[in-house]
Amino acid sequence: QSALTQPASVSGSPGQSITISCTGTSSDVGGYNYVSWYQQHPGKAPKLMIYDVSNRPSGVSNRFSGSKSGNTASLTISGLQAEDEADYYCNSYTSSSTPVVFGGGTKLTVL
Amino acid sequence: EVQLVESGGGLVQPGGSLRLSCAASGFTVSSNYMSWVRQAPGKGLQWVSVIYSGGSTYYADSVKGRFTISRDNSKNTLYLQMNSLRAEDTAVYYCARALGDYLYYFDYWGQGTLVTVSS
Repeated sequence: QSALTQPASVSGSPGQSITISCTGTSSDVGGYNYVSWYQQHPGKAPKLMIYDVSNRPSGVSNRFSGSKSGNTASLTISGLQAEDEADYYCNSYTSSSTPVVFGGGTKLTVL
Repeated sequence: EVQLVESGGGLVQPGGSLRLSCAASGFTVSSNYMSWVRQAPGKGLQWVSVIYSGGSTYYADSVKGRFTISRDNSKNTLYLQMNSLRAEDTAVYYCARALGDYLYYFDYWGQGTLVTVSS
């Protein structure tokens, strides 16, 4: 069972915006501004898209943005494109004995 | 160009051992914080371990006492020694560079190596 809760799937049409949520507790998402997001295409390694809640690494499209409210972090993808279809994972620092936790992943389908 | 290349995966019986390697190029392993993250077939990502630049090591509760992370500075290579393997350790194992105040996020990833624990 994953420590962070994500919806199993979301979908959207090209050009639309979608948001993926990532819900934790005050021991992880809610307690620190240490949330990151990864995109993973089938058979490939994860790719860092967002770190420290809302920062984008160099080279990541500004169509990807992150935010947080309370114990829930969110990844928003605007102007959906076919190549955005992938699995997305959130992760966070946690004050538990295992210091890094991931969400269960969300499959994004571009209709 | 930064590159991480894992090797050493394969089929092993329950209770057996395996050592994974992660050869780095484009940056120095010993000057960075390096982690192993795994992904069971069809499942999500799971953090396994981290080694600090100073040499301190930390593990997920699920592998503590069975797995050992280490590095060879002369070979610029990260390792994961896995002992007492269980079926639930079956996964693709990725090495990754860890960043952030609490080393919780990962910018460079290898392509992964598959470990299958089965009789």
